[in-house]
Amino acid sequence: NAGVMQNPRHLVRRRGQEARLRCSPMKGHSHVYWYRQLPEEGLKFMVYLQKENIIDESGMPKERFSAEFPKEGPSILRIQQVVRGDSAAYFCASSNRGQANYGYTFGSGTRLTVV
Amino acid sequence: SQQGEEDPQALSIQEGENATMNCSYKTSINNLQWYRQNSGRGLVHLILIRSNEREKHSGRLRVTLDTSKKSSSLLITASRAADTASYFCATGPNFGNEKLTFGTGTRLTIIP
Repeated sequence: NAGVMQNPRHLVRRRGQEARLRCSPMKGHSHVYWYRQLPEEGLKFMVYLQKENIIDESGMPKERFSAEFPKEGPSILRIQQVVRGDSAAYFCASSNRGQANYGYTFGSGTRLTVV
Repeated sequence: SQQGEEDPQALSIQEGENATMNCSYKTSINNLQWYRQNSGRGLVHLILIRSNEREKHSGRLRVTLDTSKKSSSLLITASRAADTASYFCATGPNFGNEKLTFGTGTRLTIIP
């Protein structure tokens, strides 16, 4: 039973390019959460999605960032026109409704470096 | 804004000693969780404690919760080198809101 799978593990982009981060939740999980971690800091909530729906995007920057969780396939976090300040580790977590009360399962993260 | 603040920010102890980390938060909660993060890796869930619980154990881990003081502590007994990691508290899910709000973490180093 594979855990939460994120890819790529490391991603390097030049300023102005697009970054696409993928997250496949644990089998049977329908809830996906994206968090961002800056160096030496805790994780900051970005967005919470269920299949084909964005439930809470209160932590998403208003511009350049978008997320989706289609009916088929992984959840995608997309960052357009990346800037140096987007360099961070991006973590995905998954759960099922009700199971969130037992803790979330996190992926190993994607480390984005903008050069 | 940060919901949780851990202290100390960094802690170094000898192997075999006990390590205590504290977490304070600002608003009322339903749940508080502790996670471990090894360097460059993802987070591993350790323990979830509910607002109506005062103490919880899991192996060498002991978590306490004082809702009147809005604080929690994580105690690791008989520490091992493998316990070297960053430890984060997170509040949530709360009141139907499933997102977690993380503290800034305590970096624990166990000296062999």
